[in-house]
Amino acid sequence: QVQLQESGPGLVKSSQTLSLTCTVSGGSFGSGNNYWTWIRQTPGKGLEWIGYIYYFGTTSYNPSLTSRVSMSVDASKRQFSLRLTSVTAADTAVYYCARAPYTDNPGEFYMDVWGKGTTVTVSS
Amino acid sequence: QSVLTQPPSASGTPGQRVTISCSGSNSNIGKYTVNWFQQLRGTAPKLLIYNSYRRPSGVPDRFSGSTSGTSASLAITGLQSEDEADYYCAAWDANLNTYVFGPGTVVTVL
Repeated sequence: QVQLQESGPGLVKSSQTLSLTCTVSGGSFGSGNNYWTWIRQTPGKGLEWIGYIYYFGTTSYNPSLTSRVSMSVDASKRQFSLRLTSVTAADTAVYYCARAPYTDNPGEFYMDVWGKGTTVTVSS
Repeated sequence: QSVLTQPPSASGTPGQRVTISCSGSNSNIGKYTVNWFQQLRGTAPKLLIYNSYRRPSGVPDRFSGSTSGTSASLAITGLQSEDEADYYCAAWDANLNTYVFGPGTVVTVL
């Protein structure tokens, strides 16, 4: 079955760029059947949807983060990535990657497979 | 502050029925379907209910979802000890143009 695994630095300095990669094993990756999604979780703000990238490059970002977020896909490696610039302590969180089945109705969006998460701490 | 509201906690004894509410507005629950996620301590969230009432393969049928107007509910019938977890509702929000989560409800099995 499909499995997702996040990877990247666990510690990022304030004002620098957070970069994470999610590797997808099993299932289809390049078929256009899924949105590849990032979510983060903090004790204070709970779960926060960061955004997704579709196989063909289309992206959708949380408006609260859109000025600092970018996502990309490397189909040859079955990976997708997250970049978050100008990080602050408020970006300290557990970051999850997840799969969301494709839908042409945004109201039916949901994530059905999640990675285990990776903790990122922003230090000053 | 989330646009979706959930009670912070709920509890029941084994075998009881527990219901968790999720209150929203016409820009989210009143317009789109609702999803529920279960997060056991120290693990990633897991999809429990999607499209308001559908269960993914492998989710026991004692978990059920429903909606009415701008509110949604998750019911757990025949509560079991392994159901102790945090439960989150979520939906797309048309006004915010983003996917939003509720603050979560901690379910305790007494």
